[in-house]
Amino acid sequence: AQSVAQPEDQVNVAEGNPLTVKCTYSVSGNPYLFWYVQYPNRGLQFLLKYITGDNLVKGSYGFEAEFNKSQTSFHLKKPSALVSDSALYFCAVRDVMNTGFQKLVFGTGTRLLVSP
Amino acid sequence: EAQVTQNPRYLITVTGKKLTVTCSQNMNHEYMSWYRQDPGLGLRQIYYSMNVEVTDKGDVPEGYKVSRKEKRNFPLILESPSPNQTSLYFCASSFVPPREANEKLFFGSGTQLSVL
Repeated sequence: AQSVAQPEDQVNVAEGNPLTVKCTYSVSGNPYLFWYVQYPNRGLQFLLKYITGDNLVKGSYGFEAEFNKSQTSFHLKKPSALVSDSALYFCAVRDVMNTGFQKLVFGTGTRLLVSP
Repeated sequence: EAQVTQNPRYLITVTGKKLTVTCSQNMNHEYMSWYRQDPGLGLRQIYYSMNVEVTDKGDVPEGYKVSRKEKRNFPLILESPSPNQTSLYFCASSFVPPREANEKLFFGSGTQLSVL
């Protein structure tokens, strides 16, 4: 089965500094990778995805993610963090079930705290 | 406004008392799904539905039931809730199952359930 791992429960950065939220994946075949964000008291929102092509994927709210095949990583990045970026971030990977149906498998989440 | 609506937002109940969490989407999506979110475990899929009258188990279906009588609604039913079902629940939908991983999921705002 495909899986993703988010090694950090929490990431703290100061506003204006670059941020990185880490994700590594374990897949057979080509990975389809996603990032979702969850703001307080809200459902998850799609940020970006990697299917094929450019290793640097740009998404919503100024976020981008870098796909690195050799390191099996898909880290989420932003050049300059905002306090409003504070949220819970989930990495996800597409998995194919025995029925042929495909679903998303989510990581455990990383809480990002941006201090003023 | 396109949205996935879950009710109630918060629910406290006692062991064994049947409850239903409602989910409705106004985007004419075929695919709907229920997840539970637990600290350290991320999101785990409970049940999903690929269309009306078509439902199937996810990763953690025990103790839950669903129905899909109408395209827009996908209620989650706990026939006899137990304390280990205390969790944050999310409903999600998309146009088609993420077959080619091109379709992003839209999430509701969540239902925090406590079973005493």
